[in-house]
Amino acid sequence: GDSVTQMEGPVTLSEEAFLTINCTYTATGYPSLFWYVQYPGEGLQLLLKATKADDKGSNKGFEATYRKETTSFHLEKGSVQVSDSAVYFCALTTSNTGNQFYFGTGTSLTVIP
Amino acid sequence: GAVVSQHPSWVICKSGTSVKIECRSLDFQATTMFWYRQFPKQSLMLMATSNEGSKATYEQGVEKDKFLINHASLTLSTLTVTSAHPEDSSFYICSARGQRTNTEAFFGQGTRLTVV
Repeated sequence: GDSVTQMEGPVTLSEEAFLTINCTYTATGYPSLFWYVQYPGEGLQLLLKATKADDKGSNKGFEATYRKETTSFHLEKGSVQVSDSAVYFCALTTSNTGNQFYFGTGTSLTVIP
Repeated sequence: GAVVSQHPSWVICKSGTSVKIECRSLDFQATTMFWYRQFPKQSLMLMATSNEGSKATYEQGVEKDKFLINHASLTLSTLTVTSAHPEDSSFYICSARGQRTNTEAFFGQGTRLTVV
C-alpha cells in the first residue's frame, strides 16, 4: 500500500543552520507530494507541494524536489529561523486511493537562537 | 488558499457526555471531508472520509457509533463524540477537499478535546 517514511526527530538546530528533513514514499500510482507544517496547538498548514516528477515546490525559503528515481521528497531550507520551530509532515495522495492523504510520522524541529 | 474553519478550538467535557465538532469550508464547496485524530507527538490518524450527502466511510478500528459523522451540506461536516471517555481526549483535525482542489486538502485548525 501507499506510505510515507519520514526522518525521525526531534531535530534541534541553531538559527541560520541548514535544514534537511528526509522523506521517502511508496505509492501504487503516481502520487502528488506535500509538506505540511503544524505550529504548536494549531492545525496543519500546507507548506509546499509537487505534483509530478522533477517538480520543485518552494515556499518561505523551504524547498523540496519530487525525485521519482529515488522516491524521495526531502525538505530543505538554507537558513532556519526560530519562527520555523514546528512539526513538519510529509504526505502523499494518489487518485488510486481516492485522493486520501497518507502522512509521515512528523518531524519536530526546534530552532534555538 | 482555501479556508477551513473548525469549531471549537478546544473543549472540556464530562465523561459520559457528547461533544460536537464542526468543520466548515468558508470559500469553496467541500465535496469530501476527512476527519483525523492526532495523539501527542504522533502523526495524523485518518478516522473517516465523508462525501456530501452520503454516509461516512470509517477506517478500520474506528467505532461508527461512537464517532458520528454528518456531512449534510457542501460546506459543513460535523463529528460528534458520543458518551465521551477520558481515552477519547485527543486533538481532532478536519480537512476538506473540493472538486477543483482534488489534489489538495485544506485543514482546519484542530480541536483539542479533554474529557474529565
